[in-house]
Amino acid sequence: AQTVTQSQPEMSVQEAETVTLSCTYDTSESDYYLFWYKQPPSRQMILVIRQEAYKQQNATENRFSVNFQKAAKSFSLKISDSQLGDAAMYFCAYRYYGNNRLAFGKGNQVVVIP
Amino acid sequence: DTGVSQDPRHKITKRGQNVTFRCDPISEHNRLYWYRQTLGQGPEFLTYFQNEAQLEKSRLLSDRFSAERPKGSFSTLEIQRTEQGDSAMYLCASSLKASGSFGETQYFGPGTRLLVL
Repeated sequence: AQTVTQSQPEMSVQEAETVTLSCTYDTSESDYYLFWYKQPPSRQMILVIRQEAYKQQNATENRFSVNFQKAAKSFSLKISDSQLGDAAMYFCAYRYYGNNRLAFGKGNQVVVIP
Repeated sequence: DTGVSQDPRHKITKRGQNVTFRCDPISEHNRLYWYRQTLGQGPEFLTYFQNEAQLEKSRLLSDRFSAERPKGSFSTLEIQRTEQGDSAMYLCASSLKASGSFGETQYFGPGTRLLVL
C-alpha cells in the first residue's frame, strides 16, 4: 500500500513571505500522479497543483510551485508571496496510474500572520 | 457552474440508528468517489463508481456501509447500525474520465459531518 507522509503539522508564515511544505511518499510504482489539495476551515477541498511522475519539469500554478524529486520520493509545495487566504490545511496526495483512489497524508496546517 | 454538493451538511444520530447521505456530482462527471476523514487525518478512500457501476471498495467499507449510484447520477451512502467510531466527515468527489486519459482531477464536495452519540 502506498503511504504519504507529511511532517511539520503546523507552519506559520508572514504575509508576503514564502513557505515550503514537505511531503514524502512510498511506492514501488513508476507511473503515478501527485497532488496538493487545500482545505480551508469549514470549506471544501480544492486542488492546488498536480504533477505527473513521468514529467521531469516541476509544476507551477501562479504563486504555487512544487519540487518533485522522483528518486527521493519527495514532493514539496512552495507558496510564494503568502496571502491571508492561503491559511488552510494542505494535503499531499498520491494516485497510482493503474487505480483511482487518492492516498492522502495527514496534512500541514498553514497559518498566515498579517 | 455548480460543484459537487452533499446533503445534509451535518448529521447527529444515536448509536444504532441508520443514516443516509446524498452526493450530487458535477453534472457531466462519470466517476464518483466517497472518502472518510476523521479528525486530524487526511481523507481515506471508501469506494468509487464509474457511471452506475461500483468498481472498487476499500476494506474500510464494512458490511454496515452500502453505497449506490442509480442511473449514474447522484449517489447515496448508507450506514446501518451506526457506531461511535463512524463519527467523521464523509466526503464525496467526482471526476470526468475521458477515453484514453488518466489521472483526472477529483473535485470534492463540502462533506457531511456525522456525529454518533
